[in-house]
Order: sequence, then structure tokens, then C-alpha cells
Amino acid sequence: QQPVQSPQAVILREGEDAVINCSSSKALYSVHWYRQKHGEAPVFLMILLKGGEQKGHDKISASFNEKKQQSSLYLTASQLSYSGTYFCAMTTDSWGKLQFGAGTQVVVTP
Amino acid sequence: DTEVTQTPKHLVMGMTNKKSLKCEQHMGHRAMYWYKQKAKKPPELMFVYSYEKLSINESVPSRFSPECPNSSLLNLHLHALQPEDSALYLCASSQERKLFFGSGTQLSVL
Repeated sequence: QQPVQSPQAVILREGEDAVINCSSSKALYSVHWYRQKHGEAPVFLMILLKGGEQKGHDKISASFNEKKQQSSLYLTASQLSYSGTYFCAMTTDSWGKLQFGAGTQVVVTP
Repeated sequence: DTEVTQTPKHLVMGMTNKKSLKCEQHMGHRAMYWYKQKAKKPPELMFVYSYEKLSINESVPSRFSPECPNSSLLNLHLHALQPEDSALYLCASSQERKLFFGSGTQLSVL
């Protein structure tokens, strides 16, 4: 079952912050975040395993709330290079297949 | 070498044609994947190869035929496709649950 991702799209000015949310109706083992720029392949950002950890990648960080079956991706002090479509993807066990969310289109303007 | 290389980048084919998509990685990853992605949609899993054996087939029509000749190569043979099969076809390999995507083949079926 596809994770529910929100918002569908967000427009930011450089330097602003944004949060992208992803939730599942099933118990989760891991949450993955990918970014895909227009005309390019998705690129791995980070993976969070159950245990409620938070991770960071430059000024992009994420949290995973295992009890609520939710993850959030935080874009802090956004840069033009952050533009793209962000996908969350989730697994329900250690070897389960990734279920991708519908994606959030992020546009960062000067 | 940290790349997944896909050829061709673009392909136009008729409904009676036979063509093949190729994917190559030299990162020593033992799992390789084919995904299909429609515009503004997330990647959809088609096939998974693990240690050169087909481990997942997501009920893909038989007009798509995967092949894994060795641990570095993955092919997708196409025959008698339909216009609705037009999409971006992404190959990926994985290590420690992280997916590394190729840049894809943009396929148009006329």
C-alpha cells in the first residue's frame, strides 16, 4: 500500500524552510528519502530504520516516528539546488520491497 | 565506479518491434532492479534480481522479459509493446538497502 505523502507541491524562496510528511497505515521497518530532479534519476538522500532516529544530510534532515508510522523530511535554509521531486519510500520488514509515496514537488526560487 | 549506466537514453519503437534495454553497474552490488516511471508519478517496481536470480516479478506482462547475464549486467527485452507502455525505465542496484538508479531509458511506443 502506497505511503501517503504531503504536501503535493511547495514553492519556497531561497533561505526558507519546508517540511514534507509521509505516513503509512502499516507498521514500518524503514523509511527512505529520494530526490529526483527534472529529467534525472532519483538520488538516495537517507534511510531511517525503526528506532525513531533522526538523520541529516547537509541542511536536509529527517525524522521517523515508529509509533505513529510517520516520517518527516526537513528542508532548512533552502537552496536553489534543493528543487526537485522528493519521494519517501517505506518497507514493512527488513527485506520488504520499497513502496514509494506519490512525491512532493519542491520549487526553490531566488 | 559509482554509476549505474543505462543504454539507450531514448528509444522509439513500434508495436511490432523487438528491442532491448541494457543496464550495467561495476559497484559489486548483487541486487538489481527494473522500475517503470510515468511522468509525475513515483517509480513502480517491475523486477528484482538477487545474485543473478529473478526474485521478484511484480505481475509484469510477458511482453517485458528481464535477463541477468552476469552480476554486472541487466537487460530488459521488449516485444509487442503497447502505447501505454511508454514511460521512463529505470535500472537500479542496491547496497545496504540504498538504491542507486541509472539515468533511465525514455521509451516511446508508437
